[in-house]
Amino acid sequence: GESVGLHLPTLSVQEGDNSIINCAYSNSASDYFIWYKQESGKGPQFIIDIRSNMDKRQGQRVTVLLNKTVKHLSLQIAATQPGDSAVYFCAEKAGGSYIPTFGRGTSLIVHP
Amino acid sequence: SQTIHQWPATLVQPVGSPLSLECTVEGTSNPNLYWYRQAAGRGLQLLFYSVGIGQISSEVPQNLSASRPQDRQFILSSKKLLLSDSGFYLCAWEQGREETQYFGPGTRLLVL
Repeated sequence: GESVGLHLPTLSVQEGDNSIINCAYSNSASDYFIWYKQESGKGPQFIIDIRSNMDKRQGQRVTVLLNKTVKHLSLQIAATQPGDSAVYFCAEKAGGSYIPTFGRGTSLIVHP
Repeated sequence: SQTIHQWPATLVQPVGSPLSLECTVEGTSNPNLYWYRQAAGRGLQLLFYSVGIGQISSEVPQNLSASRPQDRQFILSSKKLLLSDSGFYLCAWEQGREETQYFGPGTRLLVL
């Protein structure tokens, strides 16, 4: 299948800063996008999702932005905390497919 | 609310031994179920998915097999483990193919 990729494999920030994690996708048929957080030794945890009929969605301290023109997805974390340190994956699904495509992940490191 | 369980959490097995990993979902009916493998520092590789009892789709030819004997139970098996079967195995469920996938806690398998 087509790939979903991440621009930065590792992102280091200071506690209190805002973090932005980016993801590029190549399948123009993708219409559903998900961000997951995975802590070491644990299963991925759902953070937020967005469908292709939207370009922005907000949750608690997180915002997902979708730019379909350039096939780009980003996750913004406000006031990053040490507990946000983890690997973040983006995923996409296309046209009701059963099979999602996952990015490799970005490691977010938050320094106190 | 829905919960997903996997066991065992950790498993060390000799090469050539059999394998059985179990995944169960509570609080939902007729979910789509998925098995993934995650190698260290890498993304998620889809192994099998199931859209109903007895229905299994295989994504990657390999030494593993899957079964779904009950609506909310998904089992990953092998008759003879290989060293390359080591990894972190994740089960996931979704209510529909246009919905979010939720992951279990994972099973860490080490084949020696």
